[in-house]
Parts: sequence; structure tokens; C-alpha cells
Amino acid sequence: AQSVTQPDIHITVSEGASLELRCNYSYGATPYLFWYVQSPGQGLQLLLKYFSGDTLVQGIKGFEAEFKRSQSSFNLRKPSVHWSDAAEYFCAVESGGSYIPTFGRGTSLIVHP
Amino acid sequence: DAGVTQSPTHLIKTRGQQVTLRCSPISGHKSVSWYQQVLGQGPQFIFQYYEKEERGRGNFPDRFSARQFPNYSSELNVNALLLGDSALYLCASTPDGRYEQYFGPGTRLTVT
Repeated sequence: AQSVTQPDIHITVSEGASLELRCNYSYGATPYLFWYVQSPGQGLQLLLKYFSGDTLVQGIKGFEAEFKRSQSSFNLRKPSVHWSDAAEYFCAVESGGSYIPTFGRGTSLIVHP
Repeated sequence: DAGVTQSPTHLIKTRGQQVTLRCSPISGHKSVSWYQQVLGQGPQFIFQYYEKEERGRGNFPDRFSARQFPNYSSELNVNALLLGDSALYLCASTPDGRYEQYFGPGTRLTVT
């Protein structure tokens, strides 16, 4: 069975600082990987996805993520965080063809001015 | 294009009651999924429907049921509500042949 671990429950950064949110997955074959963002009281919005090919993927709002098969990781990065990036971030994994993702428990990003 | 819509926005029910939540997918999306999100956790998969057929079911009791209509909208029903059913219920739709999900704003259910 597939699973996702987001080891950091909370991350606090200063505005303008760089950001990296960690995600580790467990799945035998090549997974489909996603990052979603959820603002308070809102649904989830897709930031980026990885299916195959280039292991560095670009997303919306200046985010990027790198797939590392050897480490079973798909970490989310942003070079300079804005106050509006404060939200909950979820990593998700899907076995190819299932159409049903498994979500991590999320990482809450707090941005200090 | 309008996004995924859900109704109602908020709902308060009493233990033992039944509730129906509604979802309209993005136009052209034939797949609808339902998730339960408890505070502080990620979304937990409940059901997925595609072309009115159940394509997947998560680890939820039989008190939870769903259906999809010919216009691809969907309903989630929960019977015999328990306090533990209090959560944000999210609906998501997916374009044909794609894997990313487009989420609605959710229905906040409170069971007292």
C-alpha cells in the first residue's frame, strides 16, 4: 500500500527566506506525486505534479519540487517566501492508474514578517 | 469556468441523524471523489465515482454512501451520525485521463 510521510508538522520561516518542505513516500513502482496547498477554510489547490521525465518540476506561485527516487522523496521548495504563502501544504502519492491519491498529514507553514 | 461547488457550506447535526452533502464538478469532469478531513490531518479518501459507477471506496463504514447523477454531480450520505464524523468534507473532480484533483471549498459538518 502506498503511504506518505510529511515529517514536519509546522515550519516557521521569515518573509523572503527560502523554504523546503519534506515529503517521503512509500510505493514500489514509480509513483505519481503531487503537492497541494490549503488556505484556512478553503479546499485544496494543486501546486505541481510529477509523473515522469525531468525530476525537477515547476509549479504555480514560484514553487518547485524535486523527485529523488533513491531517497523516495519529493520535497517542495521556494527560493523566497511571501507572507501570502502561509497555509497548509499536503504531499500526495498515487499509484499509476489508480486515480486515488493518498495524502500526507500536512505541514503548516508560518511566515514571520 | 466555474470550479467545483459544494453545498451546504456549513451544517450542524445531532448524533444519530442523517446528512446529505452535494457536489457539482467542473464542467466536463466525469470523475468525482469525496474526502473527509479531520482537523490537523490530511484528506482521507471516502469514495470515487466515474461515469456514475463507483471506482473506489476507502476504509469507511457502511454508514457512508454516495452516488453520482447523469450530470456528474454527486451526493454523499452519512447515516447514524457520530461525534467523530465532525469534519470538513471535500469533493474533488478530475478531468478524463488525468490524475490531478480539483477541490471544492468543502462542507464543514459539526455533529453535536
